[in-house]
Parts: sequence; structure tokens; C-alpha cells
Amino acid sequence: GQNIDQPTEMTATEGAIVQINCTYQTSGFNGLFWYQQHAGEAPTFLSYNVLDGLEEKGRFSSFLSRSKGYSYLLLKELQMKDSASYLCAVRVRGNDYKLSFGAGTTVTVRA
Amino acid sequence: DSGVTQTPKHLITATGQRVTLRCSPRSGDLSVYWYQQSLDQGLQFLIQYYNGEERAKGNILERFSAQQFPDLHSELNLSSLELGDSALYFCASSVGPESSYEQYFGPGTRLTVT
Repeated sequence: GQNIDQPTEMTATEGAIVQINCTYQTSGFNGLFWYQQHAGEAPTFLSYNVLDGLEEKGRFSSFLSRSKGYSYLLLKELQMKDSASYLCAVRVRGNDYKLSFGAGTTVTVRA
Repeated sequence: DSGVTQTPKHLITATGQRVTLRCSPRSGDLSVYWYQQSLDQGLQFLIQYYNGEERAKGNILERFSAQQFPDLHSELNLSSLELGDSALYFCASSVGPESSYEQYFGPGTRLTVT
């Protein structure tokens, strides 16, 4: 299987920036996804990185370093609605392509 | 609204029973994925179908089975249910056969086994 580690919880203030780290150990790495999931709701796609570097999408950015097995999701100008769980998922290429999810990081935004 | 529909929304049943969860993908999507999410296990990939054929298998128990029909809707069958099967079951769909394509998740079915 794949070892995917991310912090369990993070707390930040409205308007601030939070960085959620994800480290992984896997063979056949073939891409990394970030998903947002509000409590009791379905995950929604945020970003996909397959090459090293930073992908920016509005207030959210995602970074990947394949050599270090490391990614982060950066949330800027935090809003109360950003309080959610953020899931890091790694795609591996074996006989098939499969997504393995980390346990998720619960971000709480405080006023 | 992702365009993926799942029924039922909630399901309560007893141990030893069998249930069927249903998923309709977004219009135009050929791939369907099933996931299980429990409090202690996180989101676990179960199985993927692409255009009616099984494409990839994850941590799916032998008591569980799935299929995708010609109209592309999919069903997940869970049998000999145990207390530990209580979880949220999500279906997701994507355009193509590889999970690099953005996956759209349905609202989930919450299964409670008593």
C-alpha cells in the first residue's frame, strides 16, 4: 500500500494563510490530488499535480516535489466556509491506476 | 451539485442482511468508482468500472460486489452485513478510464448496520 501522512487538525484565523502538508511513500507514483470535504458531504476536487512545482487556482495553490515525496495545499485569505477536511490522494500506476487517500486534515477557521 | 446521484441517502439494516446501493454517473461519464468512508478508516477505494467492465479493484471485501449496467448506472451489493460495514459509501464518476481524470462525487449513502 501507500503511506500517506498529513496532519490531523489545523486551526487558523479568518483572512490568514494555512499550509497543509502531505508526505507519501509509494512506488509507481503517477499524480497527487487534493480534495475538500465538508462534514457529512461528498469530497470535491481542488487540484491535481503530476509534475514538480506550484499550481495556483484562485485562493488555493498546490505544490509537489516528487523527489521528496511531498506536497502541500496552501489556502489564502481564509474564509469561514473553508472550515472542512482536506484530503490528499496519491495515484499509483500498477496493473491499474488507483487513488489512495490520506486520513484528511480538519481545518477550523476562527473569526 | 456534482451531477452524480446516489440512492438511497440513508439505509438502516441488521447484521447478516444484504443491501444494494445505486449510483448514476454524470451525463457523459463512463467511469464509476465506489468508495467507503468510515471514521476510523478514512476514504477507501473499493472498485472502479469503465463502460461496463471492471477496471480496478481496491480494498473490496469478498462479501461486496458491484456491476455497471449498459445505461452506465452502477450498483454496489453488500451482503452478510457486519457492524463494521457501517459507513458512508460514495460513488464518483469521471469521463475517462484513468483516475487522473477529475472525479465527481455523489452525495453518498449512509449505511448503518445494527
